[in-house]
Amino acid sequence: DAGITQSPRHKVTETGTPVTLRCHQTENHRYMYWYRQDPGHGLRLIHYSYGVKDTDKGEVSDGYSVSRSKTEDFLLTLESATSSQTSVYFCAISRGGADNQPQHFGDGTRLSIL
Amino acid sequence: GESVGLHLPTLSVQEGDNSIINCAYSNSASDYFIWYKQESGKGPQFIIDIRSNMDKRQGQRVTVLLNKTVKHLSLQIAATQPGDSAVYFCAENIGGADGLTFGKGTHLIIQP
Repeated sequence: DAGITQSPRHKVTETGTPVTLRCHQTENHRYMYWYRQDPGHGLRLIHYSYGVKDTDKGEVSDGYSVSRSKTEDFLLTLESATSSQTSVYFCAISRGGADNQPQHFGDGTRLSIL
Repeated sequence: GESVGLHLPTLSVQEGDNSIINCAYSNSASDYFIWYKQESGKGPQFIIDIRSNMDKRQGQRVTVLLNKTVKHLSLQIAATQPGDSAVYFCAENIGGADGLTFGKGTHLIIQP
């Protein structure tokens, strides 16, 4: 395994509540990513980080924010959760750099918004 | 082995046969491609990657072929085993580390 821990693994919450998902890595990789996975859509990039305090938007960033205050942690926040954000969320890490490196994934957080 | 059409959601093969999973990628500027395997309840697991300056790469029991002319990628699994049963995704990247674009996946089913 790539030394990635996602927490919580499962969460059920109500519409309008804030939710924060955590990704923790022990590999000291520079790049971290958040994806969501929905039936019929595969995995889609939400946000990514290329260093501490350096983040950028992905394909489906609306309604999400991220923070990275230290190398090992990347947080995904839903400020006011909606039912359309019910999904499985995956964190990935990569060494990155000029020579492409593969991304390695955690085992996901299953989030249900009621 | 069995070759399937592009974007077929399910591929069923006999144990011991070779499997071929196909993928059409979307961006001609993509220069890095990865195949992932995902088992139920788990995250995608890296299988093999290939860069755009190559057309073939081999790993243990797996081979990836890249045809840039028609923007086509395939994964060949030799002597398919029950443990190969999973959903397989191709992914592409346009250089740099700004995230991957994933295909929708193919569910590989192994018949005894």
